[in-house]
Amino acid sequence: SAELTQDPAVSVALGQTVRITCQGDNLRSFYASWYQQKPGQAPVLVIYDKDNRPSGIPDRFSGSSSGNTASLTVTGAQAEDEADYYCSSRGINDYYWVFGGGTKLTVL
Amino acid sequence: QVQLVQSGAEVKKPGASVKVSCKAFGYTFTSHYMHWVRQAPGQGLEWVAVINCNDGRPMYAQKFQDRVTVTRDTSTNTVYLEVNSLTSEDTANYYCARDHSREETSWWFDPWGQGTLVTVSS
Repeated sequence: SAELTQDPAVSVALGQTVRITCQGDNLRSFYASWYQQKPGQAPVLVIYDKDNRPSGIPDRFSGSSSGNTASLTVTGAQAEDEADYYCSSRGINDYYWVFGGGTKLTVL
Repeated sequence: QVQLVQSGAEVKKPGASVKVSCKAFGYTFTSHYMHWVRQAPGQGLEWVAVINCNDGRPMYAQKFQDRVTVTRDTSTNTVYLEVNSLTSEDTANYYCARDHSREETSWWFDPWGQGTLVTVSS
């Protein structure tokens, strides 16, 4: 089955830029989506269709993709961006979906 | 306003079954698939299943194929997830999430329900 690999933890200084990556063979065929989850809350979509933001998501969040890697970039990170971030995509040969293990973002 | 409202927390004994519901508001129910995703305490997200809310056809993660049933009721715009033969490893928050897709290259989940905590304990 397809797997998506994320770094477990990343930190960024307040106001600086951070990139969170997601690697997997299925990303060569399908775009990733990204979700933000704060403690005790349900996940929230932040990036879809590779680089689109839902309404209400700040424009400091952006997405990109190259080869087997999808990236979520936070430009000018704010304290409220501290959260777990998950990527997701479809499996390669059938209709199933997978999530990365999640990246805990700490804003220093 | 699109919203998914899930049923309340459940406590079950090992070997029992649980049925969680997800009621959809604010859109045409049959126009979207609905996914179920679970999250064990302190762990990551795990995809469980998806259902075509139009024809009721489900698809399951291989891991859950034999123990999980997803159904929908178009008269109440509600999707159900039933998990059988519960063990302590099924203790998790279970989320429903509406499916979106584009041209068989991109899928995403939005919005998500608030989650239903299922605790399996003797």
